[in-house]
Amino acid sequence: QKEVEQNSGPLSVPEGAIASLNCTYSDRVSQSFFWYRQYSGKSPELIMSIYSNGDKEDGRFTAQLNKASQYVSLLIRDSQPSDSATYLCAVNLQGAQKLVFGQGTRLTINP
Amino acid sequence: GAVVSQHPSWVICKSGTSVKIECRSLDFQATTMFWYRQFPKQSLMLMATSNEGSKATYEQGVEKDKFLINHASLTLSTLTVTSAHPEDSSFYICSALVGITGGGWGQPQHFGDGTRLSIL
Repeated sequence: QKEVEQNSGPLSVPEGAIASLNCTYSDRVSQSFFWYRQYSGKSPELIMSIYSNGDKEDGRFTAQLNKASQYVSLLIRDSQPSDSATYLCAVNLQGAQKLVFGQGTRLTINP
Repeated sequence: GAVVSQHPSWVICKSGTSVKIECRSLDFQATTMFWYRQFPKQSLMLMATSNEGSKATYEQGVEKDKFLINHASLTLSTLTVTSAHPEDSSFYICSALVGITGGGWGQPQHFGDGTRLSIL
């Protein structure tokens, strides 16, 4: 079983709709969770970080964490074509500096 | 804040050449930096963790004699691909932690813009 799993997609969502991206992780002691966006040919950029159970909202983005289910998600409201990218879920184990990345979900927003 | 600069953006060189890539934290001190490699349509693969003033920690399967990492200051880490061959062609990305010595877990990593390396 991979440490961090994401559906590779592609996920197609119409413009203006809600895009829902999911991620599961295997290590129960994971403490910190991040969502990165990566445009084709570019490096990842941080979208959201979340550390405790529940929802965290930042603009059109909402991260959701459920440690009991070992599940973290990212919702993008009012999706725009500029949101089309690969979204990487990353998990930080307790006491470790390095991140473990999922394989990424390719999201396409259709105008 | 937390800007990471990576240079060069593109490198094209002949097989057998050694290539140095620089990663700088511009507005913060980075005791820990990371080097990743990414092949097309694949996710990031961590190559090594670089701590200022000490030897880098390499991931399993990464040749430390081929990928030389130096982190001599709190704002600069370098990756040198020695005697590069076509199979080393990839997208190399560095990241940095805004952190305190010995800590930094739980903090997000901030990425440089990456270096696209093409070996002919």
